[in-house]
Amino acid sequence: DIQMTQSPSALSASVGDRVTITCRASRSIRDWVAWYQQKVGKAPEVLIYKASSLVDGAPARFAGSGFGTEFTLTISSLQPDDFATYYCQQYDNSSPYSFGQGTKLEI
Amino acid sequence: EVQLLDSGGDLVQPGESLRLSCAASGFPFDSYAMHWVRQTPGKGLEWVAGISSRGDSTYYADSVKGRFTISRDSLRRTVFLQMSSLRGEDTALYYCARGYYGSGKVFDYWGQGSLVTVSS
Repeated sequence: DIQMTQSPSALSASVGDRVTITCRASRSIRDWVAWYQQKVGKAPEVLIYKASSLVDGAPARFAGSGFGTEFTLTISSLQPDDFATYYCQQYDNSSPYSFGQGTKLEI
Repeated sequence: EVQLLDSGGDLVQPGESLRLSCAASGFPFDSYAMHWVRQTPGKGLEWVAGISSRGDSTYYADSVKGRFTISRDSLRRTVFLQMSSLRGEDTALYYCARGYYGSGKVFDYWGQGSLVTVSS
């Protein structure tokens, strides 16, 4: 099965900062990666699919990139509403879908 | 408005069975794949099972294969997760989710979650 290794596990930042979260796949998954944001007590919400496609309604300050085994989620200018936990998900056809361990973004 | 309402979570003993339900509304139910995803504080998010829009294909995580069964009822607009031979490691908050992006493999709407606790 494909493992997704996400880093860092926690990140402290300030409003206005640019932050980057990374996911590494245990083998190539082309661009079959999604990113989710989860706030405390709520279900996850999808931000990005196919590595770099922003879902309708997601703010443009979120951007995804990568192909193969290395993927990144970048928030260009942190807003107060962005402090949450972020997860990557791979959905390659060759393996059951799997998530990274999460990155908790704190003030 | 799309809504997914999870229910059926409970406290059960190891080895017992339980059925979760997810009632869907606000979208053409028969047009979307549906999934169950669980979450624990220790292991984070784990995809559990998925079913195609027509119900003719089902998919499972290795950790639940042979013990869990996903199904759907189009008349009742409901997805089910039948769980048997439950173990302590199945303790989690179980979310129903709609598959949309990525040919139904990326989840755009989620239920509120249903808590399953397996303990003696």
